[in-house]
Amino acid sequence: SYVLTQPPSVSVAPGQTARITCGGNNIGSKGVHWYQQKSGQAPVLVVYDNSDRPSGIPERFSGSNSGNTATLTIGRVEAGDEADYYCQVWDSSTDHWVFGGGTKLTVL
Amino acid sequence: EVQLVQSGTEVRKPGTSVKISCKISDYTFTEHYIQWVRQAPGKGLEWMGLIDPENGETIFAEKFQGRLTITADTSSDTAYMELSSLRSEDTAVYYCARGSHLDPWGQGTLVTVSS
Repeated sequence: SYVLTQPPSVSVAPGQTARITCGGNNIGSKGVHWYQQKSGQAPVLVVYDNSDRPSGIPERFSGSNSGNTATLTIGRVEAGDEADYYCQVWDSSTDHWVFGGGTKLTVL
Repeated sequence: EVQLVQSGTEVRKPGTSVKISCKISDYTFTEHYIQWVRQAPGKGLEWMGLIDPENGETIFAEKFQGRLTITADTSSDTAYMELSSLRSEDTAVYYCARGSHLDPWGQGTLVTVSS
């Protein structure tokens, strides 16, 4: 089955840029979705199809995908961005959706 | 505003079943998949399966094959997820969500399996 690998944690100072990676075999050929989950809340979609943003999501959130790595970039990080972030792709070989293990973003 | 509203907290004994509802509003039910995802305490998101409400077709994650049933009632715009033969490891928050890229999500339903 297809495996997505995320770093368990990323730390960044306020105002800096956070980059959260999602690794997978030839993930660049797939559409990647990213979700933000704050403590005690349901997840929220922040980027879909690699780089598109749903309405209401700040432009500070962006995504890219190439080769074996997809990246969620959060610019000018704020305290309110502290959350767990998950990537997701469709594995066409099994017709299953797959989540990465999640990355905890800490704002220092 | 598109919303998915789930049924409330459940407590079950091992070996029994649980059925959770997910009622949608403010969009056409048959135009988007409904997917189910769970999250065990302190753990990550786990995809369980999906249904196409237009035709009732379902896809399940392999680990739930034989234990998971997902249905959709187009007369009430409600999707259901039923998990049987419950064990303690099924204790989790269960979410429904709309579409191929999950947006939005229901508020979650806590299911506790304990003897």
